[in-house]
Order: sequence, then C-alpha cells, then structure tokens
Amino acid sequence: AAGVIQSPRHLIKEKRETATLKCYPIPRHDTVYWYQQGPGQDPQFLISFYEKMQSDKGSIPDRFSAQQFSDYHSELNMSSLELGDSALYFCASSLSEGNTEAFFGQGTRLTVV
Amino acid sequence: AQTVTQSQPEMSVQEAETVTLSCTYDTSESNYYLFWYKQPPSRQMILVIRQEAYKQQNATENRFSVNFQKAAKSFSLKISDSQLGDTAMYFCAFMKGWGAQKLVFGQGTRLTINP
Repeated sequence: AAGVIQSPRHLIKEKRETATLKCYPIPRHDTVYWYQQGPGQDPQFLISFYEKMQSDKGSIPDRFSAQQFSDYHSELNMSSLELGDSALYFCASSLSEGNTEAFFGQGTRLTVV
Repeated sequence: AQTVTQSQPEMSVQEAETVTLSCTYDTSESNYYLFWYKQPPSRQMILVIRQEAYKQQNATENRFSVNFQKAAKSFSLKISDSQLGDTAMYFCAFMKGWGAQKLVFGQGTRLTINP
C-alpha cells in the first residue's frame, strides 16, 4: 500500500539559508499534518491542512510557512534557518472522516550548521 | 489544552518478559482517541494501538494491549512476551474530538529489551 512520502530524507543547510520540505500524502487522504521532533524530544505539532486550507496551527515560527497544493501534496518552507531548527520533520496524513488514524512519513532530518 | 504525561523516561526488561508503560493525560473533552506509537532507531513513527474513549473495552493487538481507565485518565500499554524488535521509543498520544485532529504526544519512554 502507498505510504506518506517525504523528500528529501536528509538536508544540510547553513544558518540563515532557506529550506523546503515536501510531503506527498496517502492517496485520497484529505488532511496533512507537520510535526517537528527535536533531539530527544517528542514530536511537536506545527500546522495542518484540510482540503488545501489551513485547519490548525501549533507552535510554528513566523519564519516557517506551509501550504497544500491542488494535488494535495504539501510543502513546509523554512527561512532564516537557525541552529535550533535542526530536527526531524514529520509529515502525516489522514482522512477527516471515518478512520482518522494518522499515517506518518519517514521524516526529513534537517541539520543546520 | 490537553497534556500527556509519561513518567517513565526509560525501562529495560529481559526478552519474553511482560512490561507495562504508563501514560496519563488531562483533558476536558468527552470525545477523544488515545494512541501508542513506537519509534525504533529508524525514527519511523509506527502506530501500535489505538483506543476510542467511548469504548469501555480495552484495545488489543496481538502482544500489545492497553489498560484504559477513563475516570483516572490513565492509558497504559502492556507488551507481553517482549521481543528484541520491541526495543524502541514509545510515545503515548492524544487526539481530541471527531474528524482529523492533531496529535499531542507525551515525552516518551525508551524501552530496551535485553537478550
């Protein structure tokens, strides 16, 4: 079965640079979530989209933005990167009705140097 | 706001033993879901088991079962006949209401299964 696809899997950026993370949800899933997991920490919710509209917002810095496109893939844009942005970024997708279990991608490991 | 607390940062048991991971949560919601996720060294987040709050019966998935105490807001995970492949970080998570909602995670418990 198709899973959530994230790209790239690994990314190294320098401070003050920009990064774009991509997420391709499971086909027919209408909701996408982004989470940030710092070293030794639990995943923290950043933002979610339902049918291409932002549906919820968590502790996402103003330097970050995200959107969901017409084909339901989502991108997380991160600007003016800081060392503290180094983390594992997960995308998850789910249905909004019925079985709303969230399926996670394998994550993008971002390292800011 | 919902909070999830896992009071055991680390646990270690021998292979084939039974182990129980603890989780408590705080919410004023009446409808919600609870989950246990496993995160092995690969860092993939894998759903282990889920519990609907409106169901009194405890969920079971093969060697994994939960003890859901709604009044006490407790949701523990029991792993029977533990295997080396169970070694991982385990996160308890809360999702409120109906429909697609964000997950709120606990701090995690690092479980090591020793041969």
